[in-house]
Amino acid sequence: GEDVEQSLFLSVREGDSSVINCTYTDSSSTYLYWYKQEPGAGLQLLTYIFSNMDMKQDQRLTVLLNKKDKHLSLRIADTQTGDSAIYFCAESLIVRGSQGNLIFGKGTKLSVKP
Amino acid sequence: DGGITQSPKYLFRKEGQNVTLSCEQNLNHDAMYWYRQDPGQGLRLIYYSQIVNDFQKGDIAEGYSVSREKKESFPLTVTSAQKNPTAFYLCASTNTDTQYFGPGTRLTVL
Repeated sequence: GEDVEQSLFLSVREGDSSVINCTYTDSSSTYLYWYKQEPGAGLQLLTYIFSNMDMKQDQRLTVLLNKKDKHLSLRIADTQTGDSAIYFCAESLIVRGSQGNLIFGKGTKLSVKP
Repeated sequence: DGGITQSPKYLFRKEGQNVTLSCEQNLNHDAMYWYRQDPGQGLRLIYYSQIVNDFQKGDIAEGYSVSREKKESFPLTVTSAQKNPTAFYLCASTNTDTQYFGPGTRLTVL
């Protein structure tokens, strides 16, 4: 079955880059997502990448995908205290041309120290 | 202003009571989902619905029930059969590419 693994904690200093890592099980035609969750709130979609891409950049966010190693990473440049949150990696299958259910990792809690 | 709304934000239940959590979306999405989140855990799928008047069990459906009478609405009932219902409940809906989440309901059993 599908499974998504990510480290539980990451601590960085303000202004540094943060790299959050995720591994997933091999699935064909997969989207991979990064969501952000602040305390007591729902999940906010940050970005996503299709499995035929290697990299996607959006302002301070860079997603790297290594299909061979089934490894996904999210890099946050110039990390700010407002980036402190839990970051979830999620995998989806394409079923009959539409997105299937998401499989989530347990989340990485990012702490940004001033 | 499009989005997903969940109500109430906080809900308290006595043991043995059924409670219903509301989820409404005005994004014109066909598919809707209910997840449960426990501290330090990822999201676990309770029920999902790909189309009106149809829904399927997820990984942890026991003790829960849903209905999908309208495209915009997907209420979740937590029944007395759910042995450990205290959790954060998240509703989501999707277009073909991405899943969008509501703000969540925190349910506490007293």
